[in-house]
Amino acid sequence: GQQVMQIPQYQHVQEGEDFTTYCNSSTTLSNIQWYKQRPGGHPVFLIQLVKSGEVKKQKRLTFQFGEAKKNSSLHITATQTTDVGTYFCAGGPNSGYALNFGKGTSLLVTP
Amino acid sequence: GAGVSQSPSNKVTEKGKDVELRCDPISGHTALYWYRQSLGQGLEFLIYFQGNSAPDKSGLPSDRFSAERTGGSVSTLTIQRTQQEDSAVYLCASRPAGWGKDTQYFGPGTRLTVL
Repeated sequence: GQQVMQIPQYQHVQEGEDFTTYCNSSTTLSNIQWYKQRPGGHPVFLIQLVKSGEVKKQKRLTFQFGEAKKNSSLHITATQTTDVGTYFCAGGPNSGYALNFGKGTSLLVTP
Repeated sequence: GAGVSQSPSNKVTEKGKDVELRCDPISGHTALYWYRQSLGQGLEFLIYFQGNSAPDKSGLPSDRFSAERTGGSVSTLTIQRTQQEDSAVYLCASRPAGWGKDTQYFGPGTRLTVL
């Protein structure tokens, strides 16, 4: 079955450093979504990418969807302590199907 | 408007007991998902309901786990004869109908502890 892999599993950075997490699927995705889960909280939707090669930005966050729609990345510029949490990517083969979540990348930012 | 709600927020039970976890999705959302998240782990898909279609139960770890969704709204996840390895946070998410509307809205979860 389809698998969504995320790397790295953990990342520890100093405040102000950049951070990137990568998501790879074994099959072509209809779309890719990113969620953030703060410690003790539940996953919260960040963004959805649908088009091949799509790039979207949210302030210091840049999301990319690969040309083949099999991989995606989330890049945070100049991390802040408020960025701490686990970032999950999720995708499915078709819209409306159950999403496959990656295992997440846990980000720790120290001041 | 109201988001996804789950109850109870915390449940402590003894090994061997049955538990029921409840999820109230966002009104009008036709799709409902159950996930399990163990401490420090990712989201483990359990079951998926979509409208009146047969649910996708492919993620249920054993026959001790079952779920139902009444009237296309509220869902109950039942775990029979609980084991210590069932301890986790159980998350429910819902999604509206329609092509491209894939965003899932998560509830706060139920933290289950099996002693």
